[in-house]
Amino acid sequence: EVVLTQSPATLSLSPGDRATLSCRASQSVSTYLAWYQQKPGQAPRLLIYNASNRVTGIPARFSGSGSGTDFTLTISSLEPEDFAIYYCQQRTSWPPAFGGGTKVEIK
Amino acid sequence: QVQLQESGPGLVKPSETLSLTCTVSGSSISGYYWSWIRQPPGKGLEWIGYISYTGDATYNPSLKSRVTISIDKSKSQFSLKLNSVTAADTAVYYCARDLGILNYFHYWGQGTLVTVSS
Repeated sequence: EVVLTQSPATLSLSPGDRATLSCRASQSVSTYLAWYQQKPGQAPRLLIYNASNRVTGIPARFSGSGSGTDFTLTISSLEPEDFAIYYCQQRTSWPPAFGGGTKVEIK
Repeated sequence: QVQLQESGPGLVKPSETLSLTCTVSGSSISGYYWSWIRQPPGKGLEWIGYISYTGDATYNPSLKSRVTISIDKSKSQFSLKLNSVTAADTAVYYCARDLGILNYFHYWGQGTLVTVSS
């Protein structure tokens, strides 16, 4: 079973800042990794799949990179609506599993 | 647009069975995998299992002995049953549809909080 570790747990930034979120897998998941955004009281929203593919309708300021065990979600310039919790998720190993999340909060 | 809506009791007694239904609109049931995912209050996400439109179900090994997922294509619904519940099963339960790629979860219901308590 693959374990996903996200860091940092909390990221305190200001609107307009660049956000860099990390997800590390306990073993290779190739590029079969996704990123989700979750706001309070809402369901998660799929942002990125296969490590770097943006879902239709997701703004270009969100980008994903990485392969194997190390992945990054970058938000190039934070908008007020981007302050949320972000989860990575792998589909390579059984069962599909999520990381513990990174909270992006307003500094 | 694709919409999913969970329904079912919000309170279940310990040792009893949690039963939820997800009603799908705006999407064909065919050709996709339909999942249940849960999130304990203040915690992360746990995939419970999925069912295909053909009725083949697969479960998280951690819950496999207690979970049944079924599908009713005629009603565009799929359902979750989790038996022998304890307080640890208290969570927001989400139903979800895949992206068209298995196990990427694109469309989600709003979620329903199920509390296990006597």
